[in-house]
Amino acid sequence: VIWMTQSPSLLSASTGDRVTISCRMSQGISSYLAWYQQKPGKAPELLIYAASTLQSGVPSRFSGSGSGTDFTLTISCLQSEDFATYYCQQYYSFPVAFGQGTKVEIK
Amino acid sequence: QVQLVQSGAEVKKPGASVKVSCKASGYTFTSYAMHWVRQAPGQRLEWMGWINAGNGNTKYSQKFQGRVTITRDTSASTAYMELSSLRSEDTAVYYCARDVVDVSIAVADAPGWFDPWGQGTLVTVSS
Repeated sequence: VIWMTQSPSLLSASTGDRVTISCRMSQGISSYLAWYQQKPGKAPELLIYAASTLQSGVPSRFSGSGSGTDFTLTISCLQSEDFATYYCQQYYSFPVAFGQGTKVEIK
Repeated sequence: QVQLVQSGAEVKKPGASVKVSCKASGYTFTSYAMHWVRQAPGQRLEWMGWINAGNGNTKYSQKFQGRVTITRDTSASTAYMELSSLRSEDTAVYYCARDVVDVSIAVADAPGWFDPWGQGTLVTVSS
């Protein structure tokens, strides 16, 4: 089983800020990592896969980086519609797993 | 476009079972696997299991092994998740999500990322 540590759990920020969310694995997973955004009462939506590939239609202010055990999601210029909860997910092997989530709230 | 539509909310008593459906459209159902993920109120996403819609192979989280059964009906392009021996801690929103790996050409059962997700089904377990 691959353990995941996502941080921070809560991030307070203002519109226009640059924010960074971290996801660390208990063992190397190459680039088999995805990031999702979830808004209250809605299903998660895919943002990034293969650690750094932006899903079609996702704004370019979102970016992902990392490989092996350490990964980062960056939002370069936070917009009002970006206030949500973000999850990392490893798909290197079964069982698939998600991070604890990071809620990005308005400061 | 690819779409997953889940069955409606359920209220169950402790000890009962629930079966949630996920109807797929917009793609060849048997070419992709389907995952089931749940989210208890205020909690993280929790992976429950996976079915290869082509050959019916399944994999389950050890946490739910013995209580969860994932099946599919290829003629109806529908996947199902049945959870038995329900307890209050099973109150959650249950999601289906399509895997992106084309299982018809994959050499082994392996997960991919999820896209898209169903709208979710709230299951409430209460006496």
